[in-house]
Amino acid sequence: DGGITQSPKYLFRKEGQNVTLSCEQNLNHDAMYWYRQDPGQGLRLIYYSQIVNDFQKGDIAEGYSVSREKKESFPLTVTSAQKNPTAFYLCASSLAQKNEQFFGPGTRLTVL
Amino acid sequence: QQQVKQSPQSLIVQKGGISIINCAYENTAFDYFPWYQQFPGKGPALLIAIRPDVSEKKEGRFTISFNKSAKQFSLHIMDSQPGDSATYFCAASILGDYKLSFGAGTTVTVRA
Repeated sequence: DGGITQSPKYLFRKEGQNVTLSCEQNLNHDAMYWYRQDPGQGLRLIYYSQIVNDFQKGDIAEGYSVSREKKESFPLTVTSAQKNPTAFYLCASSLAQKNEQFFGPGTRLTVL
Repeated sequence: QQQVKQSPQSLIVQKGGISIINCAYENTAFDYFPWYQQFPGKGPALLIAIRPDVSEKKEGRFTISFNKSAKQFSLHIMDSQPGDSATYFCAASILGDYKLSFGAGTTVTVRA
C-alpha cells in the first residue's frame, strides 16, 4: 500500500520547545516537500528536497529546519525561533522533475 | 507576493448546480496548471491538470477552462453533489520545476 505517512496527526507543544514532524514515503519518489497551511492563505512552501542530502529553502523557511538522510524520509523541525508555529503542516512528494505532487494526511501543530 | 490569485474565497451551490472557481496568474513562464481537492483534516489530492496548449480539459463532472491571453484558468464542477463539498486549490508551475505556486483556496459547500 504505497503512500505518504505523517506522524503524529495532532501535536501539542509549549512555547520555546523544538518539535519534529515525521514524513515517510514508499512511492520511491525523489523529491519531497513541506508546506504550511493557514486558513485563507493556501499552501506555502517551507522546504523542499530534490535528492538525498540536499534541500532548498522555500518561501517561508525561517524558524524551520529539515534533513534528508534517506530517500524515504524528510523530517521537519519547528524550532523555537518560529514566531507563529500553530498551523496544519503537509508533506508531499513527487518524481524527479515531475510537477504532480502527492500529499500526506498532514499534522496539526498547536503551540500552547 | 502570491503568484496565483484565486476567487471566490467561498461559494454555496445547490445540488445539481454548477460551481465555478477562477484563478489568475502573472508569470507567463507557467505551463502547468493543476487543481487540488482537499477535504477537512486531510491532505490535498490532485483532481485535474491542464497544460496551456489546450483550452479545455474535462474529467467526469470537472472541467478546466484555460485562457492563455488573459492568463486565467477556471474550474467548473457540473451537477454539483454534496460529496463535492471541499476546499479547492488552483496552482501553477513551470513544467519540470519543483515548485508549485498555490492559490488561497475556495471552500465549496453543496446544499442538498
